[in-house]
Amino acid sequence: EAGVTQFPSHSVIEKGQTVTLRCDPISGHDNLYWYRRVMGKEIKFLLHFVKESKQDESGMPNNRFLAERTGGTYSTLKVQPAELEDSGVYFCASSEGQGPYNEQFFGPGTRLTVL
Amino acid sequence: GNSVTQMEGPVTLSEEAFLTINCTYTATGYPSLFWYVQYPGEGLQLLLKATKADDKGSNKGFEATYRKETTSFHLEKGSVQVSDSAVYFCALAGTASKLTFGTGTRLQVTL
Repeated sequence: EAGVTQFPSHSVIEKGQTVTLRCDPISGHDNLYWYRRVMGKEIKFLLHFVKESKQDESGMPNNRFLAERTGGTYSTLKVQPAELEDSGVYFCASSEGQGPYNEQFFGPGTRLTVL
Repeated sequence: GNSVTQMEGPVTLSEEAFLTINCTYTATGYPSLFWYVQYPGEGLQLLLKATKADDKGSNKGFEATYRKETTSFHLEKGSVQVSDSAVYFCALAGTASKLTFGTGTRLQVTL
């Protein structure tokens, strides 16, 4: 069974440009999460989808970030316009159920560099 | 809010040495605690977990015990191998699904 996949693996863009990250969760997983790790600091939660609905978006840093999960399958995270401080590794994870007892399976991450 | 503090790295050990990576947490209620590992070029993998006080999680020779009295979940391994070289993240989950992570500790094991 395929794991969580993310595309692209790396992205280098100029400040002010737009970037869209994609995450394909494990088939059948209703729960999808986005996290990011900035500058070697802790990994921080961004948001949580249940199917196509945003269950918790308390970690989204500002309105330059837009996450979607149309149809409840794959998800995209768009950053527009990108700023220097957006550089980091963006991780996607999925789980079958909700709550702390359900294991979250992580993708390899997308490394974003904003110049 | 919830927070996780783990020891700064990098940690460099010789093969077969004993490993301890300290992790303490702050949380309301009774969170579940996790150790995740990221091998070079790969995503995060769940290494072990504990869901209540005094539980011991174990996997691949690694162990961690949920200590409520000291709010700690230290990771230990009796004899590390070169293949254990990776970044280790301590994390917790409260009643919500989201994970709160520490900053990660890089482990380098040499021959």
